[in-house]
Amino acid sequence: GDSVTQMEGPVTLSEEAFLTINCTYTATGYPSLFWYVQYPGEGLQLLLKATKADDKGSNKGFEATYRKETTSFHLEKGSVQVSDSAVYFCALSRDDKIIFGKGTRLHILP
Amino acid sequence: GAGVSQSPSNKVTEKGKDVELRCDPISGHTALYWYRQSLGQGLEFLIYFQGNSAPDKSGLPSDRFSAERTGGSVSTLTIQRTQQEDSAVYLCASRGGTDTQYFGPGTRLTVL
Repeated sequence: GDSVTQMEGPVTLSEEAFLTINCTYTATGYPSLFWYVQYPGEGLQLLLKATKADDKGSNKGFEATYRKETTSFHLEKGSVQVSDSAVYFCALSRDDKIIFGKGTRLHILP
Repeated sequence: GAGVSQSPSNKVTEKGKDVELRCDPISGHTALYWYRQSLGQGLEFLIYFQGNSAPDKSGLPSDRFSAERTGGSVSTLTIQRTQQEDSAVYLCASRGGTDTQYFGPGTRLTVL
C-alpha cells in the first residue's frame, strides 16, 4: 500500500543553518504531496503542497520539489529560525485520505 | 472565517468511563476526518465522513470507538469504556473542494 517515510528526529540545528528533512513515498499513480507543521501545543497546519511531478511548493522560506524519478519530496530551508522549531509531517493524498509520515521534530538553537 | 474547532481542549477521565469529543468543521466543508496522535507516534486515521455517504470506518481500532456527524456539519467521536491506551491527542480535520485538509487544535485525552 501507499506509504510515506521521513527521516527520524529529533533534528537539532543552530539558527541560520540550512535545513533538509528527507521524505520519500511509495504510491501508485501521482498523488499530491504535502508538508504539514505542528507547532508546540497546536494542531497541524498545511505548510506547502505540490500536486504534480516537478512542481515546487513554497511557503515561509520553506521549499519542496515533487521528484517523481526519486519518489521524494524533501523539505528545505536556507536559514532556519528559532520559531521554526516544530514537528514536520510529510504526507500524500490517496482516495480522499491523507497518509502521513511519522513526523520529524526540529529544534533550532539560538 | 473560523477554522476547525474542537472541544474540549483537554479531557481527563477514569478508566472505564465513556467520553465524547466534538468537532466543528469549517463551514461548507463536506469532508470530515478524525485522527489519533499518540505520544511519539504519527497520525493514525480513524474515520472519514463525506457528505451523505456512509462513513469510512476502516481506521477505528475497536468497537468501543464510534463517530457520528449530524446534519453534515458537527461531528462527535465517542469512546466507550475508555482504556489507558486510549490516551492520545484526537485531531479533527475538514476538507472542501481540494485535497487539502484543515486541522483543528485537537483534544488531549488522558485516561487515568
